[in-house]
Amino acid sequence: NAGVTQTPKFRILKIGQSMTLQCAQDMNHNYMYWYRQDPGMGLKLIYYSVGAGITDKGEVPNGYNVSRSTTEDFPLRLELAAPSQTSVYFCASSSNIGEQYFGPGTRLTVT
Amino acid sequence: GQQLNQSPQSMFIQEGEDVSMNCTSSSIFNTWLWYKQDPGEGPVLLIALYKAGELTSNGRLTAQFGITRKDSFLNISASIPSDVGIYFCAGDKTSYDKVIFGPGTSLSVIP
Repeated sequence: NAGVTQTPKFRILKIGQSMTLQCAQDMNHNYMYWYRQDPGMGLKLIYYSVGAGITDKGEVPNGYNVSRSTTEDFPLRLELAAPSQTSVYFCASSSNIGEQYFGPGTRLTVT
Repeated sequence: GQQLNQSPQSMFIQEGEDVSMNCTSSSIFNTWLWYKQDPGEGPVLLIALYKAGELTSNGRLTAQFGITRKDSFLNISASIPSDVGIYFCAGDKTSYDKVIFGPGTSLSVIP
């Protein structure tokens, strides 16, 4: 199993551009999550999904959108990128709410 | 909002020493989890605890679910250089958006 994969690993965006961060898992997990981690800080939940077709907001959803059309994929969309969205983004999945498996992260810089 | 506090914030120890860190909250949690994050990687689950008072080991790591359900402790025995990283606690109230991560304890091991 590849586990949780994320693409791209790095990206630089100009202010106002848009992009989609890709996340896929091959463990048949129902739950998937997107977090952001700012330097020296913990993880903040952006959006989560409890199954295909079902998503909901986490702690810091503003400026982001998600969709979940399949069990495997959970892309995160950034519209009108802002410098405050410079961060490391982690996708995670779980079959059990607490025990999450994380991807390697996408390092995003908005300038 | 709910917060988890971790202490110490950082620690520098000699190789071979034992390490203790803890995580506290003003709220009760049903599950406590400990993750480790290596530099440039996503967090990896170390130990999950499901019952107040539970003591669980994973190799040189031992974690305990506090009796009050408001805290948890992680001990690492005989530290080695590959123990370097950031250790996050997380509390789960068994509600999808209620997995809260602490700010992390940064561990450095001096050979």
